[in-house]
Amino acid sequence: DIQMTQSPSTLSASVGDRVTLSCRASQTISSWLAWYQQKPGQAPKLLIYQASTLENGVPSRFSGSQSGTEFTLTISSLQPDDLATYYCQQYIGYPYTFGQGTKLEIK
Amino acid sequence: QITLKESGPTLVKPTQTLTLTCSFSGFSFTTTTVGVGWVRQPPGKALEWLAVIYWNGDKRYSPSLKNRVTITKDTSRNQVVLTMTNVDSVDTATYYCAHRRHNSGFGPWGQGTLVTVSS
Repeated sequence: DIQMTQSPSTLSASVGDRVTLSCRASQTISSWLAWYQQKPGQAPKLLIYQASTLENGVPSRFSGSQSGTEFTLTISSLQPDDLATYYCQQYIGYPYTFGQGTKLEIK
Repeated sequence: QITLKESGPTLVKPTQTLTLTCSFSGFSFTTTTVGVGWVRQPPGKALEWLAVIYWNGDKRYSPSLKNRVTITKDTSRNQVVLTMTNVDSVDTATYYCAHRRHNSGFGPWGQGTLVTVSS
């Protein structure tokens, strides 16, 4: 199985901050990576697919990038509504593994 | 608008078989490349991918559960069914179904259904 490792596990930031979340794949996955946002008590929501393509309706402050097997989700200006846990997922090979998540807290 | 909703028992006894149904609208298995997947999340833990089924009947499973899980579809009723045999307390989780687009991740998702395995 392809292992997905996210860091940090928890991140605390202030409203307006630029925030970066990381996800590393244990082997090359090309750009077959998705990012999800899960707010407390809710189902996950697709934010980004193919590493950097924003899903329809997702605010433009979210962006995704890639360098080899390292992937980054960036929030350009953190908003209170961004309080959530963020997961990455590879979908190049089965099983489609998720990372363990990064919990984003608002200071 | 695509919507999905999971249904099934909230409480299952150990060793029993769990059957969950995903009912959806806004898309159809008559469309090529469409898929529906299942993901679960134990309380306070991370997401775990379980299985996916595609418009052409292709099915894929997580190897860790492959012998216990079966995914099927009913194209005419717009439903996908996940069956898990011989459940144990470690299978206690919220189970989600989600739509899969070609070359994309999974989205949107259903609201999820919490299944507790306990005697």
